[in-house]
Amino acid sequence: AQKVTQAQTEISVVEKEDVTLDCVYETRDTTYYLFWYKQPPSGELVFLIRRNSFDEQNEISGRYSWNFQKSTSSFNFTITASQVVDSAVYFCALSELGAGNMLTFGGGTRLMVKP
Amino acid sequence: DVKVTQSSRYLVKRTGEKVFLECVQDMDHENMFWYRQDPGLGLRLIYFSYDVKMKEKGDIPEGYSVSREKKERFSLILESASTNQTSMYLCASSFTGSVTEAFFGQGTRLTVV
Repeated sequence: AQKVTQAQTEISVVEKEDVTLDCVYETRDTTYYLFWYKQPPSGELVFLIRRNSFDEQNEISGRYSWNFQKSTSSFNFTITASQVVDSAVYFCALSELGAGNMLTFGGGTRLMVKP
Repeated sequence: DVKVTQSSRYLVKRTGEKVFLECVQDMDHENMFWYRQDPGLGLRLIYFSYDVKMKEKGDIPEGYSVSREKKERFSLILESASTNQTSMYLCASSFTGSVTEAFFGQGTRLTVV
């Protein structure tokens, strides 16, 4: 069965610091998809990124970057020059092909960015 | 914009009551999901539906049922609410086919007293 672990439950940084959120996953499938979602205080999960298991290229989107390493089953998320608006709970999730788009979530990491 | 709307942001119900949580999506998505969110546990899947009148159990279906009579609407039912069902409930929807991102509602915070 699949599993997603986010070992960091809470991280606190000062604005402009870089921060990395860790995500480790387990799956027996060779084809799977990894996601990151952001949950601001309003409650609605906001989609950030989706990667499939055949694409190990790192991705950068503005201040956000993602490092996918199949060798260590990790899909880490880095925020560069953090801002107060980045304060939220971040979830990593996994979906196996054929699982009907069902997502298995990690426990989430609460990021607090202080001014 | 894709919109998933949950009927209530906050609900307070008594133990033993039958509770209905409603979710509507406006993007003609085939798949709809109900998740429960608890601190430290992330989101856990209760039920999902891939078509009208079709449903599948997720990881924690006990104490819950669902109804999908129309494509855009997916209801979660707590047959007899208990205090251990106090939680945040999130509805989501997505297209079928290859794995795509799910879109989430704002959540319903349910308190059972």
